[in-house]
Amino acid sequence: ETGVTQSPTHLIKTRGQQVTLRCSSQSGHNTVSWYQQALGQGPQFIFQYYREEENGRGNFPPRFSGLQFPNYSSELNVNALELDDSALYLCASRSSGPGTNEQFFGPGTRLTVL
Amino acid sequence: AQRVTQPEKLLSVFKGAPVELKCNYSYSGSPELFWYVQYSRQRLQLLLRHISRESIKGFTADLNKGETSFHLKKPFAQEEDSAMYYCALSGHSGGGADGLTFGKGTHLIIQP
Repeated sequence: ETGVTQSPTHLIKTRGQQVTLRCSSQSGHNTVSWYQQALGQGPQFIFQYYREEENGRGNFPPRFSGLQFPNYSSELNVNALELDDSALYLCASRSSGPGTNEQFFGPGTRLTVL
Repeated sequence: AQRVTQPEKLLSVFKGAPVELKCNYSYSGSPELFWYVQYSRQRLQLLLRHISRESIKGFTADLNKGETSFHLKKPFAQEEDSAMYYCALSGHSGGGADGLTFGKGTHLIIQP
């Protein structure tokens, strides 16, 4: 069984740029969620994708967008980067259906915005 | 709005002593509660969930709806328990469309 993988591991961008982060879900999982974890904080839910559609969103502006592909992998795109976007971005996957709310997390992508 | 509060940022106890990590939540419906753990240089992983009522690595947690709490307990701490612990809430049991709401975490240090 392959776990959740994310790329890249680290990324440095400047304010105003755009960034794309990638996630491969765990084998057999069709639902992917993205979280932002600022330093010293718990992860914050950005959005969730199921069957290539966004079906849940946290309190993040529209410049945070995503995609899910037919193989259930996913991308997180952030436009017009701000300094406060510097954080660890976590991807989590799970299978759908009742009793399947356990989420499996990837190692994260550390984004630094200068 | 749903919220999870972990009042202790850092908790340090001696090996063999009891451990209690506090978690309080705010949610108007019936939440599903979880404890996640992150060991040094490892990814976030599920420790236990309230609906399974299991004991994992000696840890237990009971959902107290009256006090809106989900404290994590272990009677005898071990050095390998040192880690970051996050309490999390899901507002849609089985659905999860709102994602997980996490507390800020408690750094547990077990001293030899």
